[in-house]
Amino acid sequence: GAVVSQHPSRVICKSGTSVKIECRSLDFQATTMFWYRQFPKKSLMLMATSNEGSKATYEQGVEKDKFLINHASLTLSTLTVTSAHPEDSSFYICSAKQGVTSGNTIYFGEGSWLTVV
Amino acid sequence: KNQVEQSPQSLIILEGKNCTLQCNYTVSPFSNLRWYKQDTGRGPVSLTIMTFSENTKSNGRYTATLDADTKQSSLHITASQLSDSASYICVVSNNDMRFGAGTRLTVKP
Repeated sequence: GAVVSQHPSRVICKSGTSVKIECRSLDFQATTMFWYRQFPKKSLMLMATSNEGSKATYEQGVEKDKFLINHASLTLSTLTVTSAHPEDSSFYICSAKQGVTSGNTIYFGEGSWLTVV
Repeated sequence: KNQVEQSPQSLIILEGKNCTLQCNYTVSPFSNLRWYKQDTGRGPVSLTIMTFSENTKSNGRYTATLDADTKQSSLHITASQLSDSASYICVVSNNDMRFGAGTRLTVKP
């Protein structure tokens, strides 16, 4: 079945540095990918919607210059947390939407734990 | 106000028992409703997806129901297992996706 892969699964970075998280759809093309943030025991919070070849649409309150999203191909979207701070530490999850002919099914990645020290 | 409300917020049951989780939504119109299972520290995994015209859909021990008139859905888990301990998330889609806060289920031996 369809699989969405995220990398890295865990990353620790120093304050002030940038870190990139990749989201790949392994056996289908995803014109739309989504990025979420999740705090412990809380619901998923949609950060942005990423469409291949165009700029991402960010949810209200999400800084687009802080969380850079690139969807360069139909199978890859990246989230770059720039100038990371400890409060950016969180669980980041991506999802990818399979096409209309496949019922617009959405598959989630396994998530990436980011710790900023 | 969240357009997707789930209840209960948390639930503890004994292994082998059945349980039902609720999802009420105000998203309108909507194209489909999904139930996901999310283990702690993992990405959500799809359990069921139902369109407007479907009333029930099963996936093993999971059965989801949908009443589009009352805008309610339920997820019924039969013969619960320890591995069912997780958060269950209801997601209602129209042009975008609206997430419920989830129900945290704990199955105890």
